Amino acid sequence: EVQLVESGGGLVQPGGSLRLSCAASGFTFSSHWMTWVRQAPGKGLEWVANIKEDGSEKYYVDSVRGRFSIFRDNAKKSLYLQMNSLRAEDTAVYHCAREFLYGGSSRTYFDDWGQGTLVTVSS
Amino acid sequence: EIVLTQSPATLSLFPGERATLSCRASQSVSSYLAWYQHKPGQAPRLLIYDASNRATGIPARFSGSRSGTDFTLTISSLEPEDFAVYYCQQRSTWYTFGQGTKLEI
Repeated sequence: EVQLVESGGGLVQPGGSLRLSCAASGFTFSSHWMTWVRQAPGKGLEWVANIKEDGSEKYYVDSVRGRFSIFRDNAKKSLYLQMNSLRAEDTAVYHCAREFLYGGSSRTYFDDWGQGTLVTVSS
Repeated sequence: EIVLTQSPATLSLFPGERATLSCRASQSVSSYLAWYQHKPGQAPRLLIYDASNRATGIPARFSGSRSGTDFTLTISSLEPEDFAVYYCQQRSTWYTFGQGTKLEI
């Protein structure tokens, strides 16, 4: 069974930093792109960043580029999101998700997700 | 940026009824569209990918279709566990989600 468990959320002041972790199990972690998606209070889902299987490619939504950094440790089967210069608008539940390529498709989709960890940016 | 517009914002139905949820893309996304179900405090669940293909383990009462830039998720006969928020997502250019449709009793 695929499991993704996020941790590291909490209350942080504007301008502060936080590192989120996502522990993966039940699948070959090193064979999948991985993603972070967030949901602000009362809002919808927003893709944040993703990373290639070997960590050689990383992509970010415009609003976090230059402040957030995604990385992974395949030996530890873990995904991370380093968040710096945090703003109130970064307040959200952050989910990690596995990207999966179904047979016959040419795009990956988020087929397994964690329950998320809450990040609150407030003074 | 591709914008996805979901309608209605809220859909009130009863178990056993048929639900029809819509998602319109601001430009062509081909068939690179997915539907997700999300319940409060839980992990979102992939239902449909490439507009009309059910993901692994998804019941046959869930189906998806496409007409140009208009996409539809249909739940043929609602079960009590189907009441949740549903999001569409495009995978044509990066990743964007619609704002969601809340399916309530």
